[in-house]
Amino acid sequence: NAGVTQTPKFRILKIGQSMTLQCAQDMNHNYMYWYRQDPGMGLKLIYYSVGAGITDKGEVPNGYNVSRSTTEDFPLRLELAAPSQTSVYFCASRKGQLNEQYFGPGTRLTVT
Amino acid sequence: AQSVTQPDIHITVSEGASLELRCNYSYGATPYLFWYVQSPGQGLQLLLKYFSGDTLVQGIKGFEAEFKRSQSSFNLRKPSVHWSDAAEYFCAVGANNQGGKLIFGQGTELSVKP
Repeated sequence: NAGVTQTPKFRILKIGQSMTLQCAQDMNHNYMYWYRQDPGMGLKLIYYSVGAGITDKGEVPNGYNVSRSTTEDFPLRLELAAPSQTSVYFCASRKGQLNEQYFGPGTRLTVT
Repeated sequence: AQSVTQPDIHITVSEGASLELRCNYSYGATPYLFWYVQSPGQGLQLLLKYFSGDTLVQGIKGFEAEFKRSQSSFNLRKPSVHWSDAAEYFCAVGANNQGGKLIFGQGTELSVKP
């Protein structure tokens, strides 16, 4: 198993541009999450999904959108990039309620 | 509200010395507790977890943690630190909402002196 994979690893965006961060898992996990990590902070939840076709907002959803058309994929969309979205983004997944989350390697995004 | 506090932002220990990283949580029910480690530029790797049962939990890389309900703590320990343990350590509690998201502490950065 590759586990949780994320692409790209790094990206620089100009203000107002859009992009999609890709996340995929091959463990047949139902739950998937997007977190962002800012310096000196823990991770904050952006969006989550409990299964294909079901998504919901986390703590910091503004400026982002997600979709979950398959069990494997959970892309995160930034429509109008802003400097406040400069961060490291982590995707995670887990099988069910009594299981730990597995994290991808992260995408480092800079918006200038 | 559910929260996690890691009081120490940065800790330095000598190689071979013992280590204890502190974690306190605020949670209304029996918590699901985790410790993750993050090496520079890497994702998060699970060290250990507590769901129920024995309050002393063994993890990977020689780490252990003890759940103390009376103190709302889940401190991470290692008897002898290796240089490769230098990393950032995150304590987290599994929430009872938002898909069981993880609520993270601020992290503790560990440096190891030769």
